[in-house]
Amino acid sequence: AQSVAQPEDQVNVAEGNPLTVKCTYSVSGNPYLFWYVQYPNRGLQFLLKYITGDNLVKGSYGFEAEFNKSQTSFHLKKPSALVSDSALYFCAVSPQTGANNLFFGTGTRLTVIP
Amino acid sequence: GAGVSQSPSNKVTEKGKDVELRCDPISGHTALYWYRQSLGQGLEFLIYFQGNSAPDKSGLPSDRFSAERTGGSVSTLTIQRTQQEDSAVYLCASSQLIKSYEQYFGPGTRLTVT
Repeated sequence: AQSVAQPEDQVNVAEGNPLTVKCTYSVSGNPYLFWYVQYPNRGLQFLLKYITGDNLVKGSYGFEAEFNKSQTSFHLKKPSALVSDSALYFCAVSPQTGANNLFFGTGTRLTVIP
Repeated sequence: GAGVSQSPSNKVTEKGKDVELRCDPISGHTALYWYRQSLGQGLEFLIYFQGNSAPDKSGLPSDRFSAERTGGSVSTLTIQRTQQEDSAVYLCASSQLIKSYEQYFGPGTRLTVT
């Protein structure tokens, strides 16, 4: 069975500080991994993905994530947080075979404090 | 280009009534997905269409839920005899599996069952 865990419902970070939003996953076989962001009253926006290759992937708005197969993790990071990064972040996994539907975590609300 | 569009944006209905939610995917995207986002929860996969193949209905919560995709483009999600627990935001996404794996989401339809 496929599942995603986002252990933190809420992450607070001061503007300018580095941020990390955690994600661990469970999937049969090799995974496709994704991060999406949801701003207030807006739809989900794709941030970045890991399909294959380099474990460190870079995405939109300066975000990056590192695929760690041994720890089954895909934590989202940014070196310097902006107030505008405040949003709801979802990690998602898809098995490499099958329908490619996404299994989402329950989301982490990031608040960047000015 | 145009993104995924959904209509209506909001729908309030009485318990027991049927509702239809519409999704227009991005032109050329062969895969279409429906998800449900309930308050305080992550996104729950409902159904998946890929080209002319039989849909993957494994996520539909009950037989009151059904969906169709006409002409490989527009999709309609139908909920019969709505219940209060059906209240949620229903999200549609599309993707072009050959070129990329990320899914592009519409703004969603907020369904409220009174």
